[in-house]
Amino acid sequence: AQKITQTQPGMFVQEKEAVTLDCTYDTSDPSYGLFWYKQPSSGEMIFLIYQGSYDQQNATEGRYSLNFQKARKSANLVISASQLGDSAMYFCAMREGRAAGNMLTFGGGTRLMVKP
Amino acid sequence: GAGVSQSPRYKVAKRGQDVALRCDPISGHVSLFWYQQALGQGPEFLTYFQNEAQLDKSGLPSDRFFAERPEGSVSTLKIQRTQQEDSAVYLCASSSSRQTSNYGYTFGSGTRLTVV
Repeated sequence: AQKITQTQPGMFVQEKEAVTLDCTYDTSDPSYGLFWYKQPSSGEMIFLIYQGSYDQQNATEGRYSLNFQKARKSANLVISASQLGDSAMYFCAMREGRAAGNMLTFGGGTRLMVKP
Repeated sequence: GAGVSQSPRYKVAKRGQDVALRCDPISGHVSLFWYQQALGQGPEFLTYFQNEAQLDKSGLPSDRFFAERPEGSVSTLKIQRTQQEDSAVYLCASSSSRQTSNYGYTFGSGTRLTVV
């Protein structure tokens, strides 16, 4: 089974509107972390937001928020007030356990295109 | 340095040629990861170092792939007798501590390898 599933290969959003990118995950480890990264055409992976499995509140970072529904094993990224510069690939990733040596497992990504 | 530096940025290799990809992590970062990202897909784990020790190489696709980090800083990913299926972006990431609860990973811009 896929550990991270992103079901939207591509998404369009109008500039200044909000958009939700879906992510579901699968793990039996009670301790895990969920990450969202942005990858522009330049190729680097830019960290956006993190949610720990024991965090009581949904994570927020500026225009980014994470809709964490633990029972449903979903961790959707919400981008508010979309900007043209938000056009990029977005990846959801999970680390099982808490150690820094634990690898990230990535989903297949969603390409977001912001329309002017 | 200020970020994770990877070189070369682009590499074109003839099938059967050996290549070496370099990763210079953030100074003092203990953990170092290599990922392979095929076109249109999410990154996939290759190998992990803690200082100079290679603790996990379960993601290396074949014995043609070899990674080292002899002094616990710069790492080299070597691919022998390259094949067309090796064409991908190779990403390096480093992390600052053995135990981390949330963030920690910094990615380089990657090396895009094209095997012709």
